[in-house]
Amino acid sequence: QPVLTQPPSASASLGASVTLTCTLSSGYSNYKVDWYQQRPGRGPRFVMRVGAGGIVGSKGDGIPDRFSVLGSGLNRYLTIKNIQEEDESDYHCGADHGSGSNFVLVFGGGTKLTVL
Amino acid sequence: QITLKESGPTLVKPTQTLTLTCIFSGFSLSSSGVGVGWIRQPPGKALEWLATIYWDGDNRYRASLKNRLTITKDTSKNQVVLTMTNMDPVDTATYYCAYRPPPMGEMRGVWFDPWGLGTLVSVSS
Repeated sequence: QPVLTQPPSASASLGASVTLTCTLSSGYSNYKVDWYQQRPGRGPRFVMRVGAGGIVGSKGDGIPDRFSVLGSGLNRYLTIKNIQEEDESDYHCGADHGSGSNFVLVFGGGTKLTVL
Repeated sequence: QITLKESGPTLVKPTQTLTLTCIFSGFSLSSSGVGVGWIRQPPGKALEWLATIYWDGDNRYRASLKNRLTITKDTSKNQVVLTMTNMDPVDTATYYCAYRPPPMGEMRGVWFDPWGLGTLVSVSS
């Protein structure tokens, strides 16, 4: 099964841009990854899915146009432009693998985004 | 609007069985393709998927916890129940239930949207 690796923290100034990275383990370069935003004290919220070719499907409800994704090799990126205070959250990536009794949904460790 | 809300005990003792209920609205768990999942998050740690139940009664469990987990649904009550046996302090976590939409277009596989607020369960004697 894939392992998803995320830097534990990131920071950006108000109005700036930031790119968060989710790295798939070797051999899983064709996998799609889902990004979730988790504001303090809240449940995660689906942002969007990204594959090697970019966004898959549609963004989650209410996700601003400032959020975009890219995929390259083993990396799946979430870019936030014109960062707002409300973007300060934990960001998780997840991917499903297998089928039947071998199915598993795996998550990365999450990246805590601080807005300066 | 789809909403989900978790309920259950905030404190359980080691070896006890945990029973969590997810009450949802805005969809029917008898609609083709939909599912409800449980995911937990230990304090300061990563999300961990536990189980999913689908409209047709099919279910999936995390392999390492399969012997301890049971997920059931009551479609008429709009409820999904997760039981976890033999609780241990390492099971202390916030437990979330979440909606798995039906596959549509390019969106296949498993993702969750939306999630409940979660319920914190502590395991201690």
